[in-house]
Amino acid sequence: QVQLQESGPGLVKPSETLSLTCTVSGGSISRYYWSWIRQPAGKGLECIGRIYTSGSTNYNPSLKSRVTMSVDTSKNQFSLKLNSVTAADTAMYYCARHGDSSGYFFDYWGQGTLVTVSS
Amino acid sequence: EIVLTQSPATLSLSPGERATLSCRASQSVSSYLAWYQQKPGQAPRLLIYDASNRATGIPARFSGSGSGTDFTLTISSLDPEDFAVYYCQQRNNWPYTFGQGTNLEIK
Repeated sequence: QVQLQESGPGLVKPSETLSLTCTVSGGSISRYYWSWIRQPAGKGLECIGRIYTSGSTNYNPSLKSRVTMSVDTSKNQFSLKLNSVTAADTAMYYCARHGDSSGYFFDYWGQGTLVTVSS
Repeated sequence: EIVLTQSPATLSLSPGERATLSCRASQSVSSYLAWYQQKPGQAPRLLIYDASNRATGIPARFSGSGSGTDFTLTISSLDPEDFAVYYCQQRNNWPYTFGQGTNLEIK
């Protein structure tokens, strides 16, 4: 059973960089697309970006200037960096897999990690 | 980006009743639409992909239909565990987008 686990600081200061890592267990990270998705409290879901295990990325245009994603296949991990954060970036951050047998929709999700931007 | 509009925002029904949830896209997404269920404190769970295919382990009472711009999620007979928020999501165009959700609550 594939499992995803987000990790990283739960509190980030305004103007600093949010850094999260997603560790994949129970399966290989290779040959899949992986995404970061966020959800402010009580609100809807927003795709931040996706990465293939080759390192190819697509970022949401609304965040593109501030986002960097990377993958480390040797550690079965992929990561998110979001710079120049503000209070508007406070949200639950999820990592998720695009399943190749589920139409490339998000078939496995991490439990989420809450990131608060505050001084 | 493609905007997905879900209706109603809130749906109040009783266990055993039939639920019909709608998702309308601002432009065609072909059949590249999915439905997710989210319960409080949990990550979303994939229910339906490619508009009408049930994901692994999803009960047969969940069904999806539609193509182009209009889609429907139907729950044939509500189980108490089905009361949750439901989101649609398109992957026809990047950025992938979600609807704002329908809150299915117990009447």
